[in-house]
Amino acid sequence: GQSLEQPSEVTAVEGAIVQINCTYQTSGFYGLSWYQQHDGGAPTFLSYNALDGLEETGRFSSFLSRSDSYGYLLLQELQMKDSASYFCAATNDYKLSFGAGTTVTVRA
Amino acid sequence: NAGVTQTPKFQVLKTGQSMTLQCAQDMNHNSMYWYRQDPGMGLRLIYYSASEGTTDKGEVPNGYNVSRLNKREFSLRLESAAPSQTSVYFCASSDYTGTGGTDTQYFGPGTRLTVL
Repeated sequence: GQSLEQPSEVTAVEGAIVQINCTYQTSGFYGLSWYQQHDGGAPTFLSYNALDGLEETGRFSSFLSRSDSYGYLLLQELQMKDSASYFCAATNDYKLSFGAGTTVTVRA
Repeated sequence: NAGVTQTPKFQVLKTGQSMTLQCAQDMNHNSMYWYRQDPGMGLRLIYYSASEGTTDKGEVPNGYNVSRLNKREFSLRLESAAPSQTSVYFCASSDYTGTGGTDTQYFGPGTRLTVL
């Protein structure tokens, strides 16, 4: 089966940096994805790591260590619009297994 | 370009009733998926279709059936609804072809289903 653990909530101020950790136990692991979901909305893709290391996309970066079964999403220069839930998801061929999500609240 | 569309947006059923959730995508994607999302939980895969004409079970398939009608459309059917199926249902599609590359999934707006 698949099991992904991530913190349930994080609160930070505008302009700050937030790191959301994700540890996973999966079989047939291909890579780790991150999705953002605003309240009541559809999840949207943020990033994907298949190999160890850091992937940077604008203010967001994602990291993977396959040997540690660990990854993180780094949100920099936080803005109010970044208040949302963030999900890590392990890819096993066609199947995505999601963590329970981390709710990020950005305060002014 | 509408992306992934779902109908209906909201639905209330009584226990034992049946219904079909519709999903369509206009991105010419091969793969389509149905997920459910319960409060405080991530999305759980119900069924997926890797290509037109094929369907496979996901993590929580019991109580559901699916049909990949053509490349664009993938429907989810509840034959006899139960209160435990109260959830938000998301359809998604991707151009993933099973080669191990990035599987970017595009989600529809969701169907909010309540079973009384």
